Parts: sequence; structure tokens; C-alpha cells
Amino acid sequence: AQSVAQPEDQVNVAEGNPLTVKCTYSVSGNPYLFWYVQYPNRGLQFLLKYITGDNLVKGSYGFEAEFNKSQTSFHLKKPSALVSDSALYFCAVRRSGSARQLTFGSGTQLTVLP
Amino acid sequence: DGGITQSPKYLFRKEGQNVTLSCEQNLNHDAMYWYRQDPGQGLRLIYYSQIVNDFQKGDIAEGYSVSREKKESFPLTVTSAQKNPTAFYLCASSREPGGRTEAFFGQGTRLTVV
Repeated sequence: AQSVAQPEDQVNVAEGNPLTVKCTYSVSGNPYLFWYVQYPNRGLQFLLKYITGDNLVKGSYGFEAEFNKSQTSFHLKKPSALVSDSALYFCAVRRSGSARQLTFGSGTQLTVLP
Repeated sequence: DGGITQSPKYLFRKEGQNVTLSCEQNLNHDAMYWYRQDPGQGLRLIYYSQIVNDFQKGDIAEGYSVSREKKESFPLTVTSAQKNPTAFYLCASSREPGGRTEAFFGQGTRLTVV
């Protein structure tokens, strides 16, 4: 079985401050991990992924995420938040080598306050 | 431009009716997926197809049907057997089933039962 937890339904941060959106996962074996962003009434846009290699992954729009195997976490971060970053963020996991499809977390609503 | 096109964007269904949601991709991707999104529940997999003329049930397939007669098309029918069809439906595709590649999403169809 595989699962993803996003412990915070809502994250608020002031513009210009660093932001973190948390994600923890459970999967047997090595994980493939993904972050997506969704704007209102739109589809999901891919931000970044961890497959193997460096634990710090850099993605679109200045976002990055750190894979921590011992803590089974894959938190999304950005050094300086923009109001336009306000959106719904989803973490997803798949076990490497598996044909099983992605399992998504329940999402975290990020609001960046001007 | 390459991408995934879902139509219609909004759809209203009377109780007891079947409706079909369209999903077309010109990315030459082998795998296609249908997800259902409800508030606070993340995305749940309805059906997926790894290759033409083949598809598998996801986690919540009851009351839904699909076909994959062409590589670029993966329509979803919401039947009258689906007891609570009001939701946001997302179609996605990926270059290969499972694996390391990320999924690309359409803009979604919002289905409302009236």
C-alpha cells in the first residue's frame, strides 16, 4: 500500500517570507515523489519530482523540495513567497518499479498575504 | 501546442441520465487516467489505461465506464449507477505507465447533478 499525508489543510505566509508545505509518505520500497499545484477551477500543473540522486530537488517557479528518507518526508519550499503562489498544492507518491498509479495527498491551500 | 483537452468545462446532468466527458491528448502518451476531485479529499483514481484497447479500474470505478479505442482519446461515461456524481473530473496522461514520468493534466470538467 502507498499513502501520502499533508498535515496542514491551510498555510498562510506573508509575501517575501519563506514558505514550507509539508508532505509525508508511506510506501514499501523506494518512492517516486511529485508536487503539483492547482489554481481555482483548473487542472494540476507539475512542479517537481524526486526520483533518485540529490535529496534537494529544484523545480518550476523557484520551488524546491527536500527528500528525507529517514523521516519519510518531501516538504515543498520556496525562499521568498509571492502573492501569485497562492494556490492548492498536492503531493503524490508512487513506489519505484511499480505500475501502480500515483496516490495523492488531500492538498494544502497556500495563501500568501500581501 | 501539445496538451490535454477536456470538454465540456461545465456539465449539468439530470438524475438518471448518463453523460460522457471527453478527454483528448496530442502528446503521444501511452497512459491516460481519470481522477475525481472532491473538496478536502484530494484526487481519487477512477480508471486508467496503459495502452490502446486496454484499461483498468482504479479505486472508485463503480458507476463509471471508459473506452480507449484510440491512443489520443479516453472518454469517461458517468452512468446513472453513480450515486453521487457531482464533482470535478480531471483527465491526465503520461508518457509511460507508472515509472518516473510525471502526469500532465487537462483543465477539468465540473459535473453537477440537477
